Amino acid sequence: DAKTTQPTSMDCAEGRAANLPCNHSTISGNEYVYWYRQIHSQGPQYIIHGLKNNETNEMASLIITEDRKSSTLILPHATLRDTAVYYCIVRVASNDYKLSFGAGTTVTVRA
Amino acid sequence: GAVVSQHPSRVICKSGTSVKIECRSLDFQATTMFWYRQFPKQSLMLMATSNEGSKATYEQGVEKDKFLINHASLTLSTLTVTSAHPEDSSFYICSAHHPGSGDNEQFFGPGTRLTVL
Repeated sequence: DAKTTQPTSMDCAEGRAANLPCNHSTISGNEYVYWYRQIHSQGPQYIIHGLKNNETNEMASLIITEDRKSSTLILPHATLRDTAVYYCIVRVASNDYKLSFGAGTTVTVRA
Repeated sequence: GAVVSQHPSRVICKSGTSVKIECRSLDFQATTMFWYRQFPKQSLMLMATSNEGSKATYEQGVEKDKFLINHASLTLSTLTVTSAHPEDSSFYICSAHHPGSGDNEQFFGPGTRLTVL
């Protein structure tokens, strides 16, 4: 699976949009971009995933560049409960279903 | 939505003893489950893939005789840390693959914090 690069940390203001970047310049054509988050001392939580089209669900939006070498997770209205470590993971939707977690981005939402 | 539970949530044991952690998929059947370990301020590290009815597949560097995995039913996988030592103290997290889930394929348990004295 391709490697991803994310900023170590970022702050954002409560009520504002949080834009989390992820670089995956070696992504292959059959690899999906997944986002998970982990609130302190809890198991990870799925947020969203996509292949090449932009995706939106009730939690977030995922914007993938046309060349697919980077993506941005958007939390439209950050709340204090969105404070967590956010992981961008690239993998093939194959039969092994493994997820390889990198260091992620520690997002702190401030009042 | 699909729920995965873990038991216990916390366990403290003495060095040299064995500890069993359970991972259950509560409302779906999971032929594949995964076990992760997470040390403080670090990311999750995949330890092994647990397959129902067959032997687990361990990641490189993970001792299969120390971390025994049993996946005896479609809703239960267990991880036994044998002869635990203080360096095994960690946060252990399981996940279960839900093939019929649509957007999300894996659901994670809440984790088990193991402290070995």
